[in-house]
Amino acid sequence: DAKTTQPPSMDCAEGRAANLPCNHSTISGNEYVYWYRQIHSQGPQYIIHGLKNNETNEMASLIITEDRKSSTLILPHATLRDTAVYYCRRLRNAGGTSYGKLTFGQGTILTVHP
Amino acid sequence: GAVVSQHPSRVICKSGTSVKIECRSLDFQATTMFWYRQFPKKSLMLMATSNEGSKATYEQGVEKDKFLINHASLTLSTLTVTSAHPEDSSFYICSARRYQETQYFGPGTRLLVL
Repeated sequence: DAKTTQPPSMDCAEGRAANLPCNHSTISGNEYVYWYRQIHSQGPQYIIHGLKNNETNEMASLIITEDRKSSTLILPHATLRDTAVYYCRRLRNAGGTSYGKLTFGQGTILTVHP
Repeated sequence: GAVVSQHPSRVICKSGTSVKIECRSLDFQATTMFWYRQFPKKSLMLMATSNEGSKATYEQGVEKDKFLINHASLTLSTLTVTSAHPEDSSFYICSARRYQETQYFGPGTRLLVL
C-alpha cells in the first residue's frame, strides 16, 4: 500500500476555506498525488490530482510542496455539502498518466458546520 | 468528470440466492474496472480488478467462486454474488478507468441478505 498520512478529522465553518493536509514523505518521482472524497452512502468522487505543480479546478486547489513530501487540498469556500471523508492517495505515473490500483486508508473526516 | 453508473442501487435477497450487480461507464470506454466492498464505518476494500476481455484478478482473501466478475465489454462489468449469506451484506462499489487515466467510481449498490 502506497503510504499517506492524514489527520483523522477536521472541522470547518461554512463559507471558510478548508485546508486538508496530507503527508507522503516517501513518494516516488513517478507517483501522482490524488484526492477523492466520499460523502455518506455514496461512491467516492474524484476531486483533483497533481505531480509537482499546484493544480486548480472547479472543485478545489491542490498545493504540493517543492520536495513533494506533503500536499494540501483546499476547498476555498466550504459548504455543508462538502462534509465527507477525504482521501489522499499516491498512484504511480506511467507515460504521463496515472497507473496502478487505487486503495483506501482511513482518510480525513471533514465536518463543515453552519 | 466521467460518469459510472450501477444497477441496482439497492437489493434485498434471501440467503442462498445469487445477486447480480451491473456497472457501466456511460461516457468513456473502461479498459479496466474495479470492484470494492465497504462495511459500515469502514474504508473501501478492493475486491478485484478486471481488464476488458480478461479474467479478473482477485485480492487476497476474496473468493473468486463466490464473487463472479465479468467484463465482457468496454462499458459493462458485472459482479455476481453467488449463494449470498447475511455476512455478504455490504455496500458494493464499482470503479472504472480508461487505460491509465483517472479512476471514476459508481454510486454504489447496497446489498442486504436476509
